[in-house]
Amino acid sequence: SQKIEQNSEALNIQEGKTATLTCNYTNYSPAYLQWYRQDPGRGPVFLLLIRENEKEKRKERLKVTFDTTLKQSLFHITASQPADSATYLCAPPTSGTYKYIFGTGTRLKVLA
Amino acid sequence: KAGVTQTPRYLIKTRGQQVTLSCSPISGHRSVSWYQQTPGQGLQFLFEYFSETQRNKGNFPGRFSGRQFSNSRSEMNVSTLELGDSALYLCASSFFRTGTTGELFFGEGSRLTVL
Repeated sequence: SQKIEQNSEALNIQEGKTATLTCNYTNYSPAYLQWYRQDPGRGPVFLLLIRENEKEKRKERLKVTFDTTLKQSLFHITASQPADSATYLCAPPTSGTYKYIFGTGTRLKVLA
Repeated sequence: KAGVTQTPRYLIKTRGQQVTLSCSPISGHRSVSWYQQTPGQGLQFLFEYFSETQRNKGNFPGRFSGRQFSNSRSEMNVSTLELGDSALYLCASSFFRTGTTGELFFGEGSRLTVL
């Protein structure tokens, strides 16, 4: 079955450093992949979308890569700030449907 | 532009009862999806509606049902509640049409506690 894996362990980094989060998928090839941010007790918020024919996408301090050979997407936050502390979820759509599979998310904590 | 509105935000029920949750999507969005979020399982897809038709369904028992009205508002119902149904239920709307990528816009969720 189609599966998404994110590092479920929390990631702690120092303010100003670059945070890198990993999303691996198996048993299918999504045409695109989305990343969301979720704060405690709130609904996820859309951040970025990357398509299979795009190697890299940027938005301000955020960068997403999509390696269809490795079946992996990386999410980078440069010059991280304590306000970036949240859980980050990757979500590719299920093939041929309007349904997304969400990873369990990686909790990022940026230390001041 | 108003966001996705979910009601109620918090509710407490006892085992065996039923519950109805409501979701008002962003104006113009005709797709509404529902997700269940628990600490151990993450976001699990329940179902998706578009123009009053259920297009996709997740792997949940028949106790979980939903519907969408002509104004795109959606409700989900859980009957015969079990302790394991305690979760944050999230609704997301999208401008989903064939050929679009459909970013999801989530509501704040309805936190259900089953005692």
